[in-house]
Amino acid sequence: KAGVTQTPRYLIKTRGQQVTLSCSPISGHRSVSWYQQTPGQGLQFLFEYFSETQRNKGNFPGRFSGRQFSNSRSEMNVSTLELGDSALYLCASSLDLPMGNSPLHFGNGTRLTVT
Amino acid sequence: DAKTTQPPSMDCAEGRAANLPCNHSTISGNEYVYWYRQIHSQGPQYIIHGLKNNETNEMASLIITEDRKSSTLILPHATLRDTAVYYCIVRVASTGANNLFFGTGTRLTVIP
Repeated sequence: KAGVTQTPRYLIKTRGQQVTLSCSPISGHRSVSWYQQTPGQGLQFLFEYFSETQRNKGNFPGRFSGRQFSNSRSEMNVSTLELGDSALYLCASSLDLPMGNSPLHFGNGTRLTVT
Repeated sequence: DAKTTQPPSMDCAEGRAANLPCNHSTISGNEYVYWYRQIHSQGPQYIIHGLKNNETNEMASLIITEDRKSSTLILPHATLRDTAVYYCIVRVASTGANNLFFGTGTRLTVIP
């Protein structure tokens, strides 16, 4: 079974631009979550989707947004990029509703560098 | 979700068992204990999870104390590829969010 797939793997953008990252969950998984990882802040939760609905959102500005499609694939968008948005963006999927007994499985992330 | 406390770093000799402790003294009765690890520049890898009973899979064993206030992840025969940051997380069992708190984890170094 294929794991969580994130594209692109690496991305370089300049300040003020926008970017869209893509995530394909494990087949059959309906819940998709996004995380940002930086050396200073560690792993921070961005948002979570289930059945095309955003169920929860972390403490990030409105420049960060996402969506989920009917096939459970998800995208996240960051507009008006800032230098501080440089990070590893991780997508994770789980089988069903975010239950305690359903592990999250992570992709290898998209490394975004903003110059 | 309850927070966890882990030692910042540990060393283990190759071939020996690695025992990684985690304190979760404020854990609630419906919270699972999860372990992940992350190798540099890769996404966190799920290892194992449990609620009350000890658990074992092909990667590791999870020992949870009877009062559930702490747990230990055991890698029975550590290899150099087990060098990584290990995260202990607690997570509610009821319908909840996937906004997991990873903390700083334990950096395990396996020494040849």
